[in-house]
Amino acid sequence: GAGVSQSPSNKVTEKGKDVELRCDPISGHTALYWYRQSLGQGLEFLIYFQGNSAPDKSGLPSDRFSAERTGGSVSTLTIQRTQQEDSAVYLCASSFLTGELFFGEGSRLTVL
Amino acid sequence: AQSVTQLGSHVSVSEGALVLLRCNYSSSVPPYLFWYVQYPNQGLQLLLKYTTGATLVKGINGFEAEFKKSETSFHLTKPSAHMSDAAEYFCAVRGNQAGTALIFGKGTTLSVSS
Repeated sequence: GAGVSQSPSNKVTEKGKDVELRCDPISGHTALYWYRQSLGQGLEFLIYFQGNSAPDKSGLPSDRFSAERTGGSVSTLTIQRTQQEDSAVYLCASSFLTGELFFGEGSRLTVL
Repeated sequence: AQSVTQLGSHVSVSEGALVLLRCNYSSSVPPYLFWYVQYPNQGLQLLLKYTTGATLVKGINGFEAEFKKSETSFHLTKPSAHMSDAAEYFCAVRGNQAGTALIFGKGTTLSVSS
């Protein structure tokens, strides 16, 4: 596709369940980011993939959060044993090397 | 490590007034600096960026920002606000090498009244 695609756009889950959020970056983009956006907290950096380098995981808030990027393209963000404080919009962005970031529309997660 | 502080979570101006949104950064290496805008119910889009060269950068919709190394600032300005400028604005910083993440501030919501 022409832009960054994220799925699902909305996810409602029960506390304690695992969720997977998917990101399809723009074809050819080498860098992929995950951010979390919640009210009053701005964009919280979670994880950054750049080419074949080891990802920068310094923003992951706990060991319940993990992410993979397969084949240098699609990425999945997994949240295990979800908590209510995980409710937020999860944004994915991609770029070519250090260029402009292009953002997806986000996946809104609600944990009941 | 890089970090960004946006001073003021909310800024209110009248239509036609000067817009000034403040951003200070911390970076251990020469920074690249960005402003992104998020209009209501829309995704983020790049407003302008500073990488190297001229310290005054111009962006879309009449916005500009000046990189001041001595003040570690990258404030966003627009001479005359328009109602359509109402949005949330994010300042961001990254190092100038590949492999460094882009770090955002907490954002400033701009309200414009008639």
